Amino acid sequence: DIQMTQSPSSLSASVGDRVTITCRASQSISTYLNWYQQKPGKAPKLLIYGASGLQSGVPSRFSGSGSGTDFTLTISSLQPEDFATYCCQQSHSTPFTFGPGTKVDIK
Amino acid sequence: QLQLQESGPGLVKPSETLSLTCTVSGDSISSSRYNWAWIRQPPGRGLEWIVTMSYSGGTYYSPSLNSRVTLSVDTSKNHFSLNLTSVTAADTAVYYCARQSLDPLAARPIFDYWGQGTLVTVAS
Repeated sequence: DIQMTQSPSSLSASVGDRVTITCRASQSISTYLNWYQQKPGKAPKLLIYGASGLQSGVPSRFSGSGSGTDFTLTISSLQPEDFATYCCQQSHSTPFTFGPGTKVDIK
Repeated sequence: QLQLQESGPGLVKPSETLSLTCTVSGDSISSSRYNWAWIRQPPGRGLEWIVTMSYSGGTYYSPSLNSRVTLSVDTSKNHFSLNLTSVTAADTAVYYCARQSLDPLAARPIFDYWGQGTLVTVAS
């Protein structure tokens, strides 16, 4: 199985801050990496596919980059509705695996 | 607008079978364009993919759960169901059903629509 790790596990930030979250795969997954946002008690929401593709309806302040084993999700200017947990998921091969998540909360 | 809704018992006894149904509205599960999946999340932990069903192309399972998972489909009711046998406390989780599509960049799987999730607790 491909193991996914994320850093940091949590961070505190203020509205307007630039936030970067890192995801690492245990082996190369090309650009087959997706990012999801999850709020408490809610289902995950797809933000980014293929490492850098912005899902329809997702604000342009979200962006993704990376290839191989190292990936980043960036929120250019954090908004109040962005306080949530973010996780990555590899779609390179089954079993599809998710990272443990990064919780973004209010400083 | 596509919607998915999980249903089933919220409490299951150890060693028994967990059975959940996902009812889909706004699209047909017999469409060959999409696959349909189950994913779970133990309390306070990360997401775990369980199984994906393709109406036209078969089913693929997480190896860690393969021996305990079965899927069924009822196209007349537009729903698909998960059975997980011999449950233990480790199977306590929120269970989600999701639509698995292909991303427009590389045609790789993405989970683009999710149900709201249902908490299943395994306890006597």
